[in-house]
Amino acid sequence: AIQMTQSPSSLSASVGDRVTITCRAGQDIRNALGWYQQRPGKAPKLLIYPASTLQSGVPSRFSGSGFGTDFTLTISSLQPEDFATYYCLQDYNYPRTFGQGTKVEFK
Amino acid sequence: QFHLVESGGGVVQPGRSLRLSCAASGFMFSSSGMHWVRQAPGKGLEWVAVTSEDGGNKYYGDSVKGRFTISRDNSKNTLFLQMNSLRPEDTAVYYCARDRGLDLVTTILDSWGQGTLVTVSS
Repeated sequence: AIQMTQSPSSLSASVGDRVTITCRAGQDIRNALGWYQQRPGKAPKLLIYPASTLQSGVPSRFSGSGFGTDFTLTISSLQPEDFATYYCLQDYNYPRTFGQGTKVEFK
Repeated sequence: QFHLVESGGGVVQPGRSLRLSCAASGFMFSSSGMHWVRQAPGKGLEWVAVTSEDGGNKYYGDSVKGRFTISRDNSKNTLFLQMNSLRPEDTAVYYCARDRGLDLVTTILDSWGQGTLVTVSS
């Protein structure tokens, strides 16, 4: 199984901050990666797929980049509703694997 | 609007079985790949299994392979997860999710249920 490693595991930020989350794949997965947001007590929500394509309805302050093994999710100006946990998911092969998550907390 | 509702969770003893269901509405269920994803208390997401639109192709996560079986009934718009030989480490909220991709080539989980909690404990 392809290992997906996210960093950091958690971060503290303030409203308006620029936030960057990294996801590293254990092998080349081209651009076969999605980003999901999970607010406390809620189901995950798809933000970006593949790698850099923003899903319909997702605010433009979210962006994704990367190819191969290294990927980033950036929030250009953190909003109160963005405090959540973010996960990457590779769909290059089976079994699918998530990163361990990055929790964005209020500073 | 897509709607997924899981059911069947509860408390079960180690070694026993449990069957989860996911009722789908608001989209063409028979044209969608469907996944199960779980989340242990306070932990991250873990991909569990997927079935193709017609149920002919299935894949499983390493930790559940040989114990769990995913299936579907397209006539009833329902997805299932049969869980056998349950272990304490299977304790989690189980989510079903719709895949917007085609033929299981991609995984684009654009709609999720609210989850059902399975607790494996003696």
